[in-house]
Amino acid sequence: EDQVTQSPEALRLQEGESSSLNCSYTVSGLRGLFWYRQDPGKGPEFLFTLYSAGEEKEKERLKATLTKKESFLHITAPKPEDSATYLCAVQAYGGSQGNLIFGKGTKLSVKP
Amino acid sequence: ETGVTQSPTHLIKTRGQQVTLRCSSQSGHNTVSWYQQALGQGPQFIFQYYREEENGRGNFPPRFSGLQFPNYSSELNVNALELDDSALYLCASSLWSTEAFFGQGTRLTVV
Repeated sequence: EDQVTQSPEALRLQEGESSSLNCSYTVSGLRGLFWYRQDPGKGPEFLFTLYSAGEEKEKERLKATLTKKESFLHITAPKPEDSATYLCAVQAYGGSQGNLIFGKGTKLSVKP
Repeated sequence: ETGVTQSPTHLIKTRGQQVTLRCSSQSGHNTVSWYQQALGQGPQFIFQYYREEENGRGNFPPRFSGLQFPNYSSELNVNALELDDSALYLCASSLWSTEAFFGQGTRLTVV
């Protein structure tokens, strides 16, 4: 069964304190891995897509990496405005193209 | 370029009633998917529409149904509402199987 597990469930950082969020996945065939940011009561905001092991993508203070079993979202020198829930999702070959399988997310709080 | 818009933003319904949620896809997108997100959980796939046909379905009962219109807008219909249907309902549009962009969601409360 295709599955996504994110850790930790919650993470509290001081402003400027770098850290990483983990997304472990089990999928029959990976079409793509996606990272989203979600603010309370809002829809997920697209951040990155990764397609193959070894791929990396960056956007401002965020950097996403991918291996054959997991992905990391590295946050460098975070600011309070980076506080949000970060969701990881996988899309598998053989399934519906729209079927993203999400983890439960990591709730990040950055204190000034 | 307009983003994905959903209406209404909030809705309160009584158990047993029916509800229709609406979604306008992002300009240029031809595929729409619907997700249910319970509090503290990740979104769960309900179904996807492409060329006005259902093109994949998650583990949801038939009382969850949908439509896609020629302009790629979409509706999600839920019949015989249950208390457990209370959730944030998300619409996402994409071009083929590329990145999905989400709307702001509709918060449904069933009482």
